[in-house]
Amino acid sequence: DAKTTQPPSMDCAEGRAANLPCNHSTISGNEYVYWYRQIHSQGPQYIIHGLKNNETNEMASLIITEDRKSSTLILPHATLRDTAVYYCIVRAALMMDSSYKLIFGSGTRLLVRP
Amino acid sequence: NAGVTQTPKFQVLKTGQSMTLQCAQDMNHNSMYWYRQDPGMGLRLIYYSASEGTTDKGEVPNGYNVSRLNKREFSLRLESAAPSQTSVYFCASIRGPGTEAFFGQGTRLTVV
Repeated sequence: DAKTTQPPSMDCAEGRAANLPCNHSTISGNEYVYWYRQIHSQGPQYIIHGLKNNETNEMASLIITEDRKSSTLILPHATLRDTAVYYCIVRAALMMDSSYKLIFGSGTRLLVRP
Repeated sequence: NAGVTQTPKFQVLKTGQSMTLQCAQDMNHNSMYWYRQDPGMGLRLIYYSASEGTTDKGEVPNGYNVSRLNKREFSLRLESAAPSQTSVYFCASIRGPGTEAFFGQGTRLTVV
């Protein structure tokens, strides 16, 4: 699995958009980009994933650059409850040995300020 | 729908004691995972099971053993607990490559 690089911490004001970057310069063509978050000490929660195209769901938007070497998770209107650690992971989507490992990095600690 | 259930939620062990952490999922997922998370750190993969009948080492397997009892259950065993194994342990399951992981709520283990 490709490694990812994220800033250790970020903050944003409540109600504003939170833009969390992730660098995955060694991503291969069959690897998806996944985002999870962990609120306090709970189990991580899936947010969104994508391959090439930008994706949006009820929680967030995922913007993937054309060369797929980086991506940005966007929380359009951050609330205090979005304060969490956000993890960016890349993982193969094919049935191959390497696709079964799920490796987390250190993530980005997002603080949403009142 | 319970999702991923871990037992126990809390446990205190003395150094040298053994115990088994239990994990069960009711989503008919193929792959299951065990992680540990030390204070202020990210999750580190201990062992995983790509499918029923198979297990593989992750990033930090030393001091642990696992058993994929059936498709639903994946247990983690500490044969001789050490203070360095004090951590929060998370279990996860995935239906298959290309799908998202679901996590349990964690087991908080303290070894004194």
